[in-house]
Amino acid sequence: DVQLVESGGHLAQPGGSLRLSCSGSGFTFSHYNMTWVRQAPGKGLEWVSSISDSGDKTYYPDAVPGRFIISRDNSKSTLFLQLNNLRPEDTALYFCTRGFNGDSDFWGRGTQVTVSS
Amino acid sequence: SYELTQSSSVSVSPGQTARITCSGDILAKRYARWFQRKPGQAPLLLIYKDSERSSGIPERFSGSSSGSTVALTITDVQVEDEAEYFCYSAADNKGVIFGGGTRLTVL
Repeated sequence: DVQLVESGGHLAQPGGSLRLSCSGSGFTFSHYNMTWVRQAPGKGLEWVSSISDSGDKTYYPDAVPGRFIISRDNSKSTLFLQLNNLRPEDTALYFCTRGFNGDSDFWGRGTQVTVSS
Repeated sequence: SYELTQSSSVSVSPGQTARITCSGDILAKRYARWFQRKPGQAPLLLIYKDSERSSGIPERFSGSSSGSTVALTITDVQVEDEAEYFCYSAADNKGVIFGGGTRLTVL
Protein backbone atom coordinates (compact mmCIF):
# COMPACT_ATOMS: atom_id res chain seq x y z
CA ASP A 1 0.00 0.00 0.00
CA VAL A 2 1.13 3.52 -0.71
CA GLN A 3 2.10 5.35 2.47
CA LEU A 4 3.37 8.84 3.11
CA VAL A 5 4.52 9.67 6.62
CA GLU A 6 5.48 13.20 7.58
CA SER A 7 7.72 14.03 10.51
CA GLY A 8 9.80 16.84 11.92
CA GLY A 9 7.08 19.23 12.99
CA HIS A 10 7.16 20.64 16.51
CA LEU A 11 7.13 23.85 18.53
CA ALA A 12 9.69 26.32 17.24
CA GLN A 13 10.63 29.87 18.17
CA PRO A 14 10.12 32.77 15.78
CA GLY A 15 13.22 33.12 13.67
CA GLY A 16 14.05 29.46 14.07
CA SER A 17 14.29 26.70 11.48
CA LEU A 18 12.72 23.31 10.97
CA ARG A 19 13.25 20.55 8.47
CA LEU A 20 10.19 18.52 7.67
CA SER A 21 10.50 15.05 6.18
CA CYS A 22 8.08 12.85 4.31
CA SER A 23 8.93 9.19 3.91
CA GLY A 24 7.26 7.36 1.06
CA SER A 25 6.71 3.61 0.78
CA GLY A 26 4.70 1.19 -1.31
CA PHE A 27 5.63 2.86 -4.60
CA THR A 28 8.68 3.83 -6.63
CA PHE A 29 9.35 7.20 -5.04
CA SER A 30 11.70 8.41 -7.75
CA HIS A 31 8.97 8.10 -10.38
CA TYR A 32 6.70 10.70 -8.82
CA ASN A 33 6.58 14.45 -8.50
CA MET A 34 5.80 15.48 -4.93
CA THR A 35 4.09 18.40 -3.21
CA TRP A 36 3.82 20.05 0.20
CA VAL A 37 0.52 21.55 1.30
CA ARG A 38 -0.31 23.24 4.60
CA GLN A 39 -3.37 24.24 6.56
CA ALA A 40 -3.18 26.96 9.17
CA PRO A 41 -5.68 26.94 12.06
CA GLY A 42 -9.09 28.04 10.84
CA LYS A 43 -7.83 28.50 7.29
CA GLY A 44 -8.07 26.53 4.07
CA LEU A 45 -5.50 24.32 2.43
CA GLU A 46 -2.60 26.12 0.79
CA TRP A 47 -0.09 24.86 -1.73
CA VAL A 48 3.44 25.34 -0.39
CA SER A 49 5.81 23.80 -2.91
CA SER A 50 6.29 21.05 -5.48
CA ILE A 51 9.29 19.20 -6.87
CA SER A 52 9.83 17.10 -9.97
CA ASP A 53 10.52 13.38 -9.77
CA SER A 54 14.25 13.80 -10.26
CA GLY A 55 14.42 16.86 -8.04
CA ASP A 56 15.81 19.13 -10.72
CA LYS A 57 12.78 21.38 -10.86
CA THR A 58 11.11 23.09 -7.92
CA TYR A 59 8.00 25.24 -7.82
CA TYR A 60 6.62 27.70 -5.29
CA PRO A 61 3.56 29.95 -5.31
CA ASP A 62 4.21 33.66 -5.34
CA ALA A 63 2.70 33.96 -1.88
CA VAL A 64 5.14 31.52 -0.26
CA PRO A 65 8.18 33.24 1.11
CA GLY A 66 11.68 32.45 -0.08
CA ARG A 67 12.30 31.05 3.39
CA PHE A 68 10.97 27.62 2.30
CA ILE A 69 13.08 25.13 0.34
CA ILE A 70 11.83 21.84 -1.04
CA SER A 71 14.19 18.97 -1.80
CA ARG A 72 14.25 15.19 -2.01
CA ASP A 73 16.51 12.21 -1.59
CA ASN A 74 15.30 9.49 -3.92
CA SER A 75 17.81 6.99 -2.55
CA LYS A 76 15.95 7.23 0.76
CA SER A 77 12.45 7.78 -0.68
CA THR A 78 12.21 10.96 1.33
CA LEU A 79 10.88 14.43 0.61
CA PHE A 80 12.00 17.45 2.62
CA LEU A 81 10.81 20.95 3.35
CA GLN A 82 13.23 23.33 4.98
CA LEU A 83 11.50 26.14 6.84
CA ASN A 84 13.76 29.06 7.75
CA ASN A 85 13.23 32.26 9.73
CA LEU A 86 9.93 30.91 11.01
CA ARG A 87 7.06 33.25 11.76
CA PRO A 88 3.89 32.69 13.79
CA GLU A 89 1.89 32.68 10.56
CA ASP A 90 3.80 29.55 9.49
CA THR A 91 1.92 27.66 12.21
CA ALA A 92 0.05 24.96 10.33
CA LEU A 93 -0.40 21.27 9.67
CA TYR A 94 1.97 20.39 6.84
CA PHE A 95 1.05 17.57 4.45
CA CYS A 96 3.04 15.88 1.74
CA THR A 97 1.24 14.53 -1.30
CA ARG A 98 2.24 12.35 -4.22
CA GLY A 99 1.94 14.18 -7.51
CA PHE A 100 1.59 17.86 -8.37
CA ASN A 101 -0.15 20.37 -10.60
CA GLY A 102 -3.56 18.97 -9.88
CA ASP A 103 -2.81 15.26 -10.02
CA SER A 104 -2.04 14.47 -6.39
CA ASP A 105 -3.53 11.18 -5.30
CA PHE A 106 -2.08 10.06 -1.96
CA TRP A 107 -1.54 12.23 1.10
CA GLY A 108 0.08 11.77 4.47
CA ARG A 109 -1.62 12.60 7.76
CA GLY A 110 0.47 15.71 8.24
CA THR A 111 2.97 17.04 10.76
CA GLN A 112 2.17 19.97 13.03
CA VAL A 113 4.39 23.04 13.05
CA THR A 114 3.78 25.59 15.79
CA VAL A 115 5.75 28.82 15.85
CA SER A 116 5.52 30.63 19.14
CA SER A 117 7.74 32.22 21.73
CA SER B 1 -5.55 34.52 -8.99
CA TYR B 2 -8.05 31.69 -9.23
CA GLU B 3 -10.34 30.59 -6.41
CA LEU B 4 -12.56 27.60 -5.75
CA THR B 5 -15.77 28.16 -3.81
CA GLN B 6 -17.60 25.53 -1.81
CA SER B 7 -20.54 25.81 0.54
CA SER B 8 -19.40 25.45 4.12
CA SER B 9 -21.75 22.69 5.21
CA VAL B 10 -24.35 20.20 4.08
CA SER B 11 -26.61 18.09 6.31
CA VAL B 12 -28.51 14.99 5.27
CA SER B 13 -30.09 11.97 6.93
CA PRO B 14 -28.76 8.45 6.38
CA GLY B 15 -29.97 7.01 3.09
CA GLN B 16 -30.49 10.43 1.50
CA THR B 17 -28.43 12.02 -1.26
CA ALA B 18 -25.87 14.74 -0.61
CA ARG B 19 -24.63 17.08 -3.33
CA ILE B 20 -21.57 19.24 -2.79
CA THR B 21 -20.55 21.81 -5.35
CA CYS B 22 -17.31 23.59 -6.16
CA SER B 23 -17.19 26.63 -8.42
CA GLY B 24 -14.38 28.55 -10.01
CA ASP B 25 -13.32 29.96 -13.36
CA ILE B 26 -10.36 27.56 -13.55
CA LEU B 27 -12.76 24.61 -13.66
CA ALA B 28 -13.88 25.58 -17.13
CA LYS B 29 -10.44 24.57 -18.40
CA ARG B 30 -8.95 22.27 -15.75
CA TYR B 31 -10.10 19.03 -14.18
CA ALA B 32 -11.07 18.84 -10.52
CA ARG B 33 -10.46 16.22 -7.88
CA TRP B 34 -12.45 15.52 -4.76
CA PHE B 35 -11.00 14.37 -1.47
CA GLN B 36 -12.59 13.17 1.74
CA ARG B 37 -10.93 14.17 4.98
CA LYS B 38 -11.65 12.77 8.41
CA PRO B 39 -10.00 13.94 11.64
CA GLY B 40 -6.59 12.41 12.15
CA GLN B 41 -6.62 10.63 8.81
CA ALA B 42 -4.91 11.29 5.53
CA PRO B 43 -7.18 12.84 2.91
CA LEU B 44 -8.62 10.19 0.58
CA LEU B 45 -8.96 10.69 -3.16
CA LEU B 46 -12.54 10.03 -4.26
CA ILE B 47 -12.86 11.51 -7.74
CA TYR B 48 -10.39 12.67 -10.39
CA LYS B 49 -10.85 14.19 -13.85
CA ASP B 50 -14.17 15.61 -12.61
CA SER B 51 -16.03 12.30 -12.68
CA GLU B 52 -13.64 9.34 -12.58
CA ARG B 53 -13.95 7.32 -9.39
CA SER B 54 -10.71 6.43 -7.68
CA SER B 55 -9.88 2.77 -7.10
CA GLY B 56 -11.81 1.21 -4.24
CA ILE B 57 -14.27 4.07 -3.84
CA PRO B 58 -17.91 2.95 -3.58
CA GLU B 59 -20.17 3.62 -6.56
CA ARG B 60 -22.41 5.85 -4.46
CA PHE B 61 -19.73 8.52 -4.80
CA SER B 62 -19.91 10.24 -8.19
CA GLY B 63 -18.65 13.42 -9.77
CA SER B 64 -19.99 15.67 -12.49
CA SER B 65 -19.07 18.88 -14.23
CA SER B 66 -20.86 21.72 -15.95
CA GLY B 67 -19.01 24.81 -17.08
CA SER B 68 -17.15 26.27 -14.15
CA THR B 69 -18.86 24.12 -11.53
CA VAL B 70 -18.14 20.59 -10.46
CA ALA B 71 -20.22 18.53 -8.08
CA LEU B 72 -19.72 15.56 -5.81
CA THR B 73 -22.84 13.49 -5.26
CA ILE B 74 -23.12 10.89 -2.55
CA THR B 75 -26.18 8.67 -2.84
CA ASP B 76 -27.49 6.51 0.01
CA VAL B 77 -25.39 8.48 2.49
CA GLN B 78 -23.96 6.43 5.35
CA VAL B 79 -23.02 7.58 8.83
CA GLU B 80 -19.37 6.91 8.01
CA ASP B 81 -19.56 9.46 5.18
CA GLU B 82 -19.59 12.25 7.74
CA ALA B 83 -16.40 14.14 6.91
CA GLU B 84 -15.03 17.21 5.23
CA TYR B 85 -14.95 17.15 1.43
CA PHE B 86 -12.74 19.45 -0.59
CA CYS B 87 -12.20 20.06 -4.26
CA TYR B 88 -8.86 20.80 -5.81
CA SER B 89 -7.54 21.72 -9.23
CA ALA B 90 -4.38 22.64 -11.04
CA ALA B 91 -3.44 26.29 -11.09
CA ASP B 92 -0.73 28.19 -12.89
CA ASN B 93 2.96 27.70 -12.24
CA LYS B 94 2.58 23.97 -11.55
CA GLY B 95 0.59 24.79 -8.46
CA VAL B 96 -2.81 23.84 -7.14
CA ILE B 97 -5.78 25.58 -5.63
CA PHE B 98 -8.23 24.21 -3.11
CA GLY B 99 -11.84 24.75 -2.25
CA GLY B 100 -12.54 25.82 1.29
CA GLY B 101 -14.03 22.45 2.18
CA THR B 102 -17.60 21.35 2.89
CA ARG B 103 -18.52 19.70 6.16
CA LEU B 104 -21.00 16.88 5.58
CA THR B 105 -23.10 16.12 8.64
CA VAL B 106 -25.13 12.93 8.69
CA LEU B 107 -28.01 13.51 11.08
